[in-house]
Amino acid sequence: DTQMTQSPSSLSASVGDRVTITCRASQGIVNYLAWYQQKPGKVPKLLIYAASTLQSGVPSRFSGSGSGTDFTLTISSLQPEDVASYYCQKYNSAPGTFGPGTKVDIK
Amino acid sequence: QVQLVQSGAEVKKPGSSVKVSCKTSGGTFSSYVISWVRQAPGQGLECMGGIIPMFGTANYAQKFQGRVTITADESTSTAYMELSSLRSDDTAVYYCARGEQVGPVDYWGQGTLVTVSS
Repeated sequence: DTQMTQSPSSLSASVGDRVTITCRASQGIVNYLAWYQQKPGKVPKLLIYAASTLQSGVPSRFSGSGSGTDFTLTISSLQPEDVASYYCQKYNSAPGTFGPGTKVDIK
Repeated sequence: QVQLVQSGAEVKKPGSSVKVSCKTSGGTFSSYVISWVRQAPGQGLECMGGIIPMFGTANYAQKFQGRVTITADESTSTAYMELSSLRSDDTAVYYCARGEQVGPVDYWGQGTLVTVSS
C-alpha cells in the first residue's frame, strides 16, 4: 500500500495567518489527492480534490497544490471556524490511504 | 439527496466478530466505490478497504487483510463490513463512505461506534 505522511502533526496560528500543511506520498499518485477537514464529533468534509480543485461551497481561502508525491494545503487567512483536523487522502488506487492528520488551533 | 445510513452502536467481546451495515439511497449504488474508514478515539482516519458493488470484488488495506470482509447487496443498496477476531484496539467509530471509482469521498455515513470490551 502507498503510505501517506503529513507535516506538521499540529500547529497553532493566529487569526489572519497563512497556514500551510504538507502531504507526501511514498509513490507517485499524479494528482489523485484530496484534502478533508474534520471538526470534533463530525464526519469529514471534502475541501479539495484532484490536488487543487476546490469543492463547491468551500471558502476560497483554502487552496491546494502539488503533483506526483508532494502536495500542499494552504489556508490564506486562518479563521476561528477553521479549527479542525485536516487529512490528505490518495485515491488513485484502492485502498484510499489517509495521511495521519494535522490538528490546527488558534493561538 | 444521497444518504448513507449505518447500523447502530455495538459492544463486543474480544475474539468475536462484528458486522456493520450501510444502506444507501438517493443515488446509483452499483457503480460507486463504497469504502470503510475507521477512527479510533482521538486518532486519525484509517481506510480499511472498499468495494464497487457492480464488480463485487473488495480491496483491503494490508493491515486488515484476513480479518475484514466487505460485501455489497445490489438488491437492497446496502454494503456490509465484517471485522473478526476483535481486540480492544478495534474500538473505534466505523464509517462507510461513497466516492466515484477514481475519486474522493463525497458522502459519508453517520458512523457506527464499535466498542470491544470484556
